[in-house]
This record gives sequence, structure tokens and C-alpha cells, in this order.
Amino acid sequence: DAGVTQSPTHLIKTRGQQVTLRCSPKSGHDTVSWYQQALGQGPQFIFQYYEEEERQRGNFPDRFSGHQFPNYSSELNVNALLLGDSALYLCASSLEPGAGYGYTFGSGTRLTVV
Amino acid sequence: DAKTTQPPSMDCAEGRAANLPCNHSTISGNEYVYWYRQIHSQGPQYIIHGLKNNETNEMASLIITEDRKSSTLILPHATLRDTAVYYCIVRVNNQGGKLIFGQGTELSVKP
Repeated sequence: DAGVTQSPTHLIKTRGQQVTLRCSPKSGHDTVSWYQQALGQGPQFIFQYYEEEERQRGNFPDRFSGHQFPNYSSELNVNALLLGDSALYLCASSLEPGAGYGYTFGSGTRLTVV
Repeated sequence: DAKTTQPPSMDCAEGRAANLPCNHSTISGNEYVYWYRQIHSQGPQYIIHGLKNNETNEMASLIITEDRKSSTLILPHATLRDTAVYYCIVRVNNQGGKLIFGQGTELSVKP
């Protein structure tokens, strides 16, 4: 049973560009959350998608947007990349917005902005 | 901001118990204590959670003080594979997506 799958695993982009990261949730899960983890820091919540809608959002600018598809997979889009956007981006899936114990995380996408 | 305080790092000898403390002095009556860990180059992994009673599962034990202002995660027989950053999180159950991670404790298990 596959867990959470994220692609790509690594990505290098130039400042000002746009990037799309992808996430396939664990089988049976219908909710996807995205986190940003800067080097040496804990993950920071970006937003959560459930039933193809953004349900909850953290303290991130509108440059960060997302989408959830009918098959529950999700994309994270970041526009006008800044050097400070360099981080590990983690996707977590769960069954409904759910309890704190029900989250399965992927291994993340390492984004480097140069 | 995270509602928890953890030591930044700890060492433990392989085969010994690892006791990881967490302070959460402002915890509310309906907030649970959760523990996750993150092994290098992987996403966080759920370990255990509790409200006020001590809890045990196949990975660890969670001891919560009677006043609920602090807790301890116990790995009874630490192995090298337990080397990771351990995060203590408090939140209301079924609150939705947001897990608030602090800095965590970097546990190094040494042979």
C-alpha cells in the first residue's frame, strides 16, 4: 500500500519563476495538507484541501496557491519565487480533516531558488 | 506559535530508555498532546498522542503529569534508527489540518 507520493523530489528554480509541486495521498485518504520546512526549522502549515476546496490556511501570502483534484491528489503552486522560498515542501494526507494522529507525510520536495 | 517547549538536543545510549520532555504549561482542557518524529530526509511520522492518561503503543509510551502542564515521551529501548527530531504538539482533536510544529528535540542515539 503506497503511502504519500510527492514529485519531484528535488527542484531548482530561478527567482521570479513559478513552480508546481504534486502530491498523491495515501490510499483511502481524501484530505491533503501542505507544509513548508526551512532548514533547521519545524514544518509550517500552508493550507489544507478537502472536497476540492481550501479549508484552512496558514500565514502564507497569496503567491502560494493550491488545487485538489477529484482523485484527491493535490498541487501546490508558488508564483514569483523568492530566495526565501527555498525549503522542503511536505504533503500530508488524512481521512477527512481529521484528528492529529491521522496524518501520513510524504518525504517532500526539496525546492532551491537561485 | 508553538505552545510547547522542548530541549533542542539530547543523547541516549543504544539499548537504554530515551526520555524526551515537553513543557506545555498553557494547555487547555480539550487539547491533546501529540508526538511526531522526523528522521533525516523523511517526512514527520506520528508516534503517539494522549489527553490526560498515560498511553502506550508499540513505538513508545507517553506520560502526562497530573496537572497536564508537561509530558514525557519514552522510547523504552532506543536503537540507532530512533535518531531523529522529535516534535511535541498540543492541539484540539478534530480541529482540522493545522499541526503547529516547534523546533523539536534532536535525539542522537549512540552505540
